[in-house]
Amino acid sequence: DSGVTQTPKHLITATGQRVTLRCSPRSGDLSVYWYQQSLDQGLQFLIQYYNGEERAKGNILERFSAQQFPDLHSELNLSSLELGDSALYFCASSEDRGNFAEAFFGQGTRLTVV
Amino acid sequence: GNSVTQMEGPVTLSEEAFLTINCTYTATGYPSLFWYVQYPGEGLQLLLKATKADDKGSNKGFEATYRKETTSFHLEKGSVQVSDSAVYFCALSENRGSTLGRLYFGRGTQLTVWP
Repeated sequence: DSGVTQTPKHLITATGQRVTLRCSPRSGDLSVYWYQQSLDQGLQFLIQYYNGEERAKGNILERFSAQQFPDLHSELNLSSLELGDSALYFCASSEDRGNFAEAFFGQGTRLTVV
Repeated sequence: GNSVTQMEGPVTLSEEAFLTINCTYTATGYPSLFWYVQYPGEGLQLLLKATKADDKGSNKGFEATYRKETTSFHLEKGSVQVSDSAVYFCALSENRGSTLGRLYFGRGTQLTVWP
């Protein structure tokens, strides 16, 4: 158990819909990262938050947004869903934004868009 | 830019065979290098890491040496077990700059070990 909790584990929804994925980081970790894992793109970095502030953006679509709340949990919002958004979404946390701190990954949320 | 290239799988080995999974990288600065493992139905777990050139990371019988001259970080294990069957990801993270903390992953290598 990494200490990072993601909910839900599985999500099936229709095209055009909006979903919210939730991540609770390890106790004390200030950084939260979101990654998307798909067969064609592999593991892609989406976005990073540090102590409530956005720190870095990767290949995140405009239809996607995220935030980190005062209690440090994070949510990834995906809207106007398309079939191609079907993927495994991982959240990771680390104690600070330095890469020497190990990133701990959650078990992921598997999103299926039908 | 930053990128990681690792050998395509799948790799299939018999138990107690020697394992090598090749990984090379491109980085604009001085990265730290990682190997992550993903068991079926689970998230990624850090297997080992090396933070500077010539460092050797090791864990659970796996080893990888940070080779700056060849920009490589190949994963090796002398004798694999059935329980090592998983997907292995090579990754890098910059040590400074705007991408600090972000991981760049290779495509992953599926390893299957038969008894």
